[in-house]
Amino acid sequence: NAGVTQTPKFQVLKTGQSMTLQCAQDMNHNSMYWYRQDPGMGLRLIYYSASEGTTDKGEVPNGYNVSRLNKREFSLRLESAAPSQTSVYFCASSVVQGAGFGELFFGEGSRLTVL
Amino acid sequence: AQSVTQLDSHVSVSEGTPVLLRCNYSSSYSPSLFWYVQHPNKGLQLLLKYTSAATLVKGINGFEAEFKKSETSFHLTKPSAHMSDAAEYFCVVSEPTGANNLFFGTGTRLTVIP
Repeated sequence: NAGVTQTPKFQVLKTGQSMTLQCAQDMNHNSMYWYRQDPGMGLRLIYYSASEGTTDKGEVPNGYNVSRLNKREFSLRLESAAPSQTSVYFCASSVVQGAGFGELFFGEGSRLTVL
Repeated sequence: AQSVTQLDSHVSVSEGTPVLLRCNYSSSYSPSLFWYVQHPNKGLQLLLKYTSAATLVKGINGFEAEFKKSETSFHLTKPSAHMSDAAEYFCVVSEPTGANNLFFGTGTRLTVIP
């Protein structure tokens, strides 16, 4: 019963360093998402992949890139980390292309601090 | 334009008393509405959802919510709070237009006092 698995769970970076957050789901879902969560701001969508082979920008894509490696995996890359990217990052997946028609399944989050 | 407003950032109740978490929305369509719960250091989990069927929706752990179109509200309630209900709750509105169509409220932190 793994569901959505994110790695790493915690990471500390220095300004300008790069890193990749990994996400994998074992539910055969079509759509996958990356969100960031900041205090008092709810969740904001960074990028999403409606289906394998496609990716699209969400509300706050600047400073990030994504790769939908296959149906299971969706990674988020920070090329040059900035303190403003200190946040908790959540990966999620859903069965159908339109997330509004179904439930989102979330990973447990990756806590990133950029010094 | 679509938006979600959670009217309280923090709600505190005593164990065994009712819970009311308020949510108002605006939408250009007939939306789907969701409540998610997030326990400390965990991801979000679906509590319940409304998708144009019955206006009173029952969810897990004794929670329910009522869709009131005239008031554009989708408040979350529970008759009797339990200590394990302490968490953050998110109201979410969705419109049937594409994949990037989920809009999250800013969250309400529920504290349960023993």
